[in-house]
Amino acid sequence: GESVGLHLPTLSVQEGDNSIINCAYSNSASDYFIWYKQESGKGPQFIIDIRSNMDKRQGQRVTVLLNKTVKHLSLQIAATQPGDSAVYFCAEIAFYKLSFGAGTTVTVRA
Amino acid sequence: GAGVSQSPSNKVTEKGKDVELRCDPISGHTALYWYRQRLGQGLEFLIYFQGNSAPDKSGLPSDRFSAERTGESVSTLTIQRTQQEDSAVYLCASSQPGGQGSNSPLHFGNGTRLTVT
Repeated sequence: GESVGLHLPTLSVQEGDNSIINCAYSNSASDYFIWYKQESGKGPQFIIDIRSNMDKRQGQRVTVLLNKTVKHLSLQIAATQPGDSAVYFCAEIAFYKLSFGAGTTVTVRA
Repeated sequence: GAGVSQSPSNKVTEKGKDVELRCDPISGHTALYWYRQRLGQGLEFLIYFQGNSAPDKSGLPSDRFSAERTGESVSTLTIQRTQQEDSAVYLCASSQPGGQGSNSPLHFGNGTRLTVT
């Protein structure tokens, strides 16, 4: 079946550096993508979204890039902070269903 | 305002027993979802409710799983004759009509951690 996946299961980053989390998707019919952050013991929290008619969207310290040609999505976090340590999921939407990848665990080193 | 509330937060049960998990969505949210998250994995869609429409049950893994929702309020997920492979975190989420998007993002509860011994 079609799924959303992530390239790397873990990412270690020095505090203050920029983080890049990658995601590959395979459903070309998906027209909407979301990044979620999940901290230990909590449900996923919405970070930022992007529609398929866009290739870049910026939020506060975060930027999402979408490359539909290679079905690739990335989340960039500027000036990574200890509070950014979490599991990050990309998700795609077809109709009303979110399909999630396995997640990337981000660990911020002090 | 309160977020999505799930209870219990943790549940340990013996294999073969039935369990019932509860979700209180955010008031006014007509869309409600149940997801299952196994350890170290992503979220697996289970079921979707939207208003008074027939629910989408396509993600339920077996007939031991069922869910109900009364109007636009509380939902319960029931697992009958639990098996060890049912051990996971069960997450509930709600959103306003229209589903996903930064204008109506999906709000998740903190989940119920189910352990079947």
